[in-house]
Amino acid sequence: DTEVTQTPKHLVMGMTNKKSLKCEQHMGHRAMYWYKQKAKKPPELMFVYSYEKLSINESVPSRFSPECPNSSLLNLHLHALQPEDSALYLCASSQVPTGGGETQYFGPGTRLLVL
Amino acid sequence: QKEVEQNSGPLSVPEGAIASLNCTYSDRVSQSFFWYRQYSGKSPELIMSIYSNGDKEDGRFTAQLNKASQYVSLLIRDSQPSDSATYLCAAGTDKLIFGTGTRLQVFP
Repeated sequence: DTEVTQTPKHLVMGMTNKKSLKCEQHMGHRAMYWYKQKAKKPPELMFVYSYEKLSINESVPSRFSPECPNSSLLNLHLHALQPEDSALYLCASSQVPTGGGETQYFGPGTRLLVL
Repeated sequence: QKEVEQNSGPLSVPEGAIASLNCTYSDRVSQSFFWYRQYSGKSPELIMSIYSNGDKEDGRFTAQLNKASQYVSLLIRDSQPSDSATYLCAAGTDKLIFGTGTRLQVFP
């Protein structure tokens, strides 16, 4: 079973709202990732959580904040987003961090629209 | 800067033909390579992974890796209209570096 689940599937929010995206995997993977993907572009890595340590892409603005309540869950908290943040947000997991050449498996994504 | 390059396409092939997708990467320390298929509006789905020089076959798909030339390819035999999608090549080092993807169109 290589399933990564994400909720919600779609989200519309205003620029003053606070919302959260959720990601869950039950494969016992030790690394989880958040990516942002704009139309006709490849996924861009935002955060990596592995072995209880968070790694951040320094270009990601602070209005995005990840949280890892346990080893199978990874949330992405959204606050004061801008319209240009509208994108497909993808969660992925791998058995160990990709530095070891491990395959990443993607969830179905959350389509976010910021008005 | 680490880069993975792909021709954006579209690559158009008739049903039943072989589709050949190509990818080059810049970071010589990359050890793992992946092909993902992405349908419009959906998330990437793993097609193949390859780690060693040579060919790796899985059903209608064959991945080829040439580390000396820093080149990865994906062949799709007996292409079907359902193969029409964007194919993302990715190289793994400390993170996955994705190419911009090649759009494949298979016409009946």
